[in-house]
Amino acid sequence: DQQVKQNSPSLSVQEGRISILNCDYTNSMFDYFLWYKKYPAEGPTFLISISSIKDKNEDGRFTVFLNKSAKHLSLHIVPSQPGDSAVYFCAASALGNQFYFGTGTSLTVIP
Amino acid sequence: NAGVMQNPRHLVRRRGQEARLRCSPVKGHSHVYWYRQLPEEGLKFMVYLQKENIIDESGMPKERFSAEFPKEGPSILRIQQVVRGDSAAYFCASSKRDRSNEKLFFGSGTQLSVL
Repeated sequence: DQQVKQNSPSLSVQEGRISILNCDYTNSMFDYFLWYKKYPAEGPTFLISISSIKDKNEDGRFTVFLNKSAKHLSLHIVPSQPGDSAVYFCAASALGNQFYFGTGTSLTVIP
Repeated sequence: NAGVMQNPRHLVRRRGQEARLRCSPVKGHSHVYWYRQLPEEGLKFMVYLQKENIIDESGMPKERFSAEFPKEGPSILRIQQVVRGDSAAYFCASSKRDRSNEKLFFGSGTQLSVL
């Protein structure tokens, strides 16, 4: 019962171009969404979040878009850099409850 | 200002032994979460605890697994009579869970290998 889905296991992008990572969810009660970045043998690190009252949040090169009607969110990284190569997880939560994570998308930025 | 501390970093056990994984949350955080990552898979929720309380254990296997977060000391994830299928990376995360700070802070994980 996967409530948060990342349907693309991997993505390759040229350095300097835009990376777009997608995430879908099924639970309409989710009201808070996060993106995490994970390097091998390390714990996930927080990147950016968005509340359901917004449809966009931007932090430097990272922008998250939320489409509530489609139950879809995406992470845009522009311009992509080789150091961005990692596994990216989206996560969702309803206040007071656990955080559900997607299965991750492995991003490779090609120099 | 220490983050989430997990130990040990690596743990090797033989089948049938017990594994105890420890997690000290960020200072001031009273919510702890345990996640498991199997090879080539995502982060699977196991259990969500507050001090002295289990809030949600819907992701915990019904047998052999238990978790606690006592009033004093770290959170412990205990796996009894380990089997090869328990080999995975176990991540702990903590949070304040208030409206101004919803995000989880993760530890570096414990890699459990069952021989």
